[in-house]
Amino acid sequence: GQQVMQIPQYQHVQEGEDFTTYCNSSTTLSNIQWYKQRPGGHPVFLIQLVKSGEVKKQKRLTFQFGEAKKNSSLHITATQTTDVGTYFCAGTGGGADGLTFGKGTHLIIQP
Amino acid sequence: EAGVTQSPTHLIKTRGQQATLRCSPISGHTSVYWYQQALGLGLQFLLWYDEGEERNRGNFPPRFSGRQFPNYSSELNVNALELEDSALYLCASSIDRVGYTFGSGTRLTVV
Repeated sequence: GQQVMQIPQYQHVQEGEDFTTYCNSSTTLSNIQWYKQRPGGHPVFLIQLVKSGEVKKQKRLTFQFGEAKKNSSLHITATQTTDVGTYFCAGTGGGADGLTFGKGTHLIIQP
Repeated sequence: EAGVTQSPTHLIKTRGQQATLRCSPISGHTSVYWYQQALGLGLQFLLWYDEGEERNRGNFPPRFSGRQFPNYSSELNVNALELEDSALYLCASSIDRVGYTFGSGTRLTVV
């Protein structure tokens, strides 16, 4: 079945540093979605990417979808304490597939 | 607009018992998805219901089952509970599988 791998599992950064998490799929995806889960909370949808090579920005967050639609990345510029949480990518091959989530990257920020 | 609601918030069961978890999707959403989030294992896809039908299920044993009612609410049943079933069970709803909205989850503890 479809597998979505995400690295790194944990990332410690100093406040103000940049952060990147990477997502790779074993199969071509019809779209990729990103979610954020705060400690003790539930995943919250951030964005969806659909087109090959697509890049989208949300303030300090930049999302990319690879040309082959098998990988994606999320980059946060100048992290803030409010960015703390686990970032999940999730992809689907389409059809009757549900979303397959990566295991997430836990972002820990040291003030 | 009310979000996705799940009940109960917490559930403690003894090994071998049955657990029933409930979910009400956002009004107008016909699809309901169930995920298991065990510690350190990310979100594992359990079941997808749409228009009252089971559309897909993840790699879980048959003792995990559910149903969707005419009002699109859903129920997840876990029979013959095992210790490793202890996890956060998340329900999500969506339109066209874009941007799942998750509920706050049910924390199931099996003792």
